[in-house]
Amino acid sequence: DGGITQSPKYLFRKEGQNVTLSCEQNLNHDAMYWYRQDPGQGLRLIYYSQIVNDFQKGDIAEGYSVSREKKESFPLTVTSAQKNPTAFYLCASSSIAGPTDTQYFGPGTRLTVL
Amino acid sequence: DAKTTQPNSMESNEEEPVHLPCNHSTISGTDYIHWYRQLPSQGPEYVIHGLTSNVNNRMASLAIAEDRKSSTLILHRATLRDAAVYYCILRRNSGSARQLTFGSGTQLTVLP
Repeated sequence: DGGITQSPKYLFRKEGQNVTLSCEQNLNHDAMYWYRQDPGQGLRLIYYSQIVNDFQKGDIAEGYSVSREKKESFPLTVTSAQKNPTAFYLCASSSIAGPTDTQYFGPGTRLTVL
Repeated sequence: DAKTTQPNSMESNEEEPVHLPCNHSTISGTDYIHWYRQLPSQGPEYVIHGLTSNVNNRMASLAIAEDRKSSTLILHRATLRDAAVYYCILRRNSGSARQLTFGSGTQLTVLP
C-alpha cells in the first residue's frame, strides 16, 4: 500500500540530546514537509523540500535540521538548541508544491523531553 | 496570508447533515479554499478544496459564497467516525502556497 510512514510513534529524550525522527514515503511525491503540533493548536511548518538535496525553512525552523538525500526520505533532527521540543511531529508529502496540491500526512511521532 | 475564522466546536446527531462554516473575509481572487480534518492522535486528512464553484466528492460538499468571503463544508450524513477537528485553510497561488497554514479549527462532536 502507498503511504507515509513515521517512526517511532512515541519517543522520549533527555534534555540536551539530539534525536532524529524518520519519515518515508512510497507515493513518488516530490515535495515533503515537517510540521509541529502543540496541544489544542493547529500545525506549524518546520521545513519543506521540493526536490532531492534542496530544502527551505518554514515558520519555526530554529533548533531543527533536515536532509533530503533520497526522494523517499526526509528525516528531521531535533537538536538540543530547540527550547521546547515536546510536541507531536507530523510529516507530509505532495506531488507538487502549489495551491491545489493535496498533502498526505503520516501518523505522527509524539516526542517527549524528560 | 488571508486568515480564516471557524467556530471552536459544533455538535451533530448521527446520520444528520452537518454544516461547518468558515469565514475568510480577506480572501484574494487567487486563494483556494481547502478543508482538512484530523482525527484524535492522527495526521490530518484532506477532505475537499475549491476556488469559486461549489464542489462535491465522496466525503463531503463545499459550498462557496458568491462573494467568496465565506464557505461551508457539508457532511451529508454524519457518522461517529466523522468526529474530528476540521480545518478551513486558504492557499494562495504564490510562493507561500507550499505550506498549509492551520488555525485551531472546529472540533466536531457526533452524538449517537
